[in-house]
Amino acid sequence: QVQLVQSGAEVKKPGASVKVSCKASGYTFTSYYMHWVRQAPGQGLEWMGIINPSGGSTSYAQKFQGRVTMTRDTSTSTVYMELSSLRSEDTAVYYCARVDWIAVAGTEPQYYFDYWGQGTLVTVSS
Amino acid sequence: DIQLTQSPSFLSASVGDRVTITCRASQGISSYLAWYQQKPGKAPKLLIYAASTLQSGVPSRFSGSGSGTEFTLTISSLQPEDFATYYCQQLNSYPLFTFGPGTKVDIK
Repeated sequence: QVQLVQSGAEVKKPGASVKVSCKASGYTFTSYYMHWVRQAPGQGLEWMGIINPSGGSTSYAQKFQGRVTMTRDTSTSTVYMELSSLRSEDTAVYYCARVDWIAVAGTEPQYYFDYWGQGTLVTVSS
Repeated sequence: DIQLTQSPSFLSASVGDRVTITCRASQGISSYLAWYQQKPGKAPKLLIYAASTLQSGVPSRFSGSGSGTEFTLTISSLQPEDFATYYCQQLNSYPLFTFGPGTKVDIK
């Protein structure tokens, strides 16, 4: 069965960096793109970016450009999300989510996030 | 960027009620919309994609409809396990797949 298992909670000081991992199992790792989504306490879901586990290409939300780096290790089927220059507003639960799609004749594919990691709480506090 | 709004932001309902949540997009997104359910302390769970396709294993009391800029998620008969927050997500502007602000469904 498909599983996405994330690393444990982190506490960081302002200005530091954090690196969250997401280990995939139960499917061919390089066949599905992975997204990262975060959720501040009591708030909604915020899309951060995407990584192609096959070639490693990435695309980030403009808000995080210059501060976020997404990487992957195909030997361990793991994707990573590193966020630098942390501030208190970065306190949130960070999720990885696999995207699947279905082909629809004559149109763009229909995408959807079918599996999610359990989330990693990152707390930024002095 | 495509913005999504949801209404209501909060609703109070009883077991057995029919519940409808609306999601509106700032521009047309065809049927590139998904719905998720999230319970406290848990990751979101996919309910519906392509605006109206029920994800495998999701109860048939959940249904989705709409196209263009207006979409609805309907729960035909609310069950105790359905009390949660519901999010819509647009998947039209690849790869920037933004979410709506959420609708919390609480027990009356």
